[in-house]
Amino acid sequence: EAGVTQFPSHSVIEKGQTVTLRCDPISGHDNLYWYRRVMGKEIKFLLHFVKESKQDESGMPNNRFLAERTGGTYSTLKVQPAELEDSGVYFCASSHEAGQGLEAFFGQGTRLTVV
Amino acid sequence: LAKTTQPISMDSYEGQEVNITCSHNNIATNDYITWYQQFPSQGPRFIIQGYKTKVTNEVASLFIPADRKSSTLSLPRVSLSDTAVYYCLGESGGSYIPTFGRGTSLIVHP
Repeated sequence: EAGVTQFPSHSVIEKGQTVTLRCDPISGHDNLYWYRRVMGKEIKFLLHFVKESKQDESGMPNNRFLAERTGGTYSTLKVQPAELEDSGVYFCASSHEAGQGLEAFFGQGTRLTVV
Repeated sequence: LAKTTQPISMDSYEGQEVNITCSHNNIATNDYITWYQQFPSQGPRFIIQGYKTKVTNEVASLFIPADRKSSTLSLPRVSLSDTAVYYCLGESGGSYIPTFGRGTSLIVHP
């Protein structure tokens, strides 16, 4: 079974540019999560999809970040325009159901560097 | 959102048993306690999960006292490949969102 895959693995962009990160969850997983870790900080929750609907986007930093999950399959996270403080590792995770007692599967992450 | 508390780092030697304790004083009745492992340049990986008492799998054991305000991850006979960051998750505040703290960086020495 394929795991959660993220593209690209690394991205270096200039301040003001746009970057789109992609996440392919495990097939059949309705729940998809985005997280971010800024250097030296904790892994921080960004948002949660249930199928194509945003269930919780309380962790999104600001309106420069836009997440979508068309058709309830893969998801994209777009940063426009990127700022220096957006640098970090962005993780995607998926799970079959939401709720306690369930395991979330994480991707390898996308390392974003804004210069 | 209240977070879990665990040691920032620990050192051990190959073949030893390692116990990492996590405090989650404000854990909700419906929260499970879950531990993840993360290697450099990889995403977190589920290790073990429990609600109370003791849980054991092929990787680790998890001990949870009756009051559930803490938990201890036990790694038997660690090897160099167990060097990683270990996260204790236990306080989602009822949101069911896996919520990470700072984690414990375990370094296993030869």
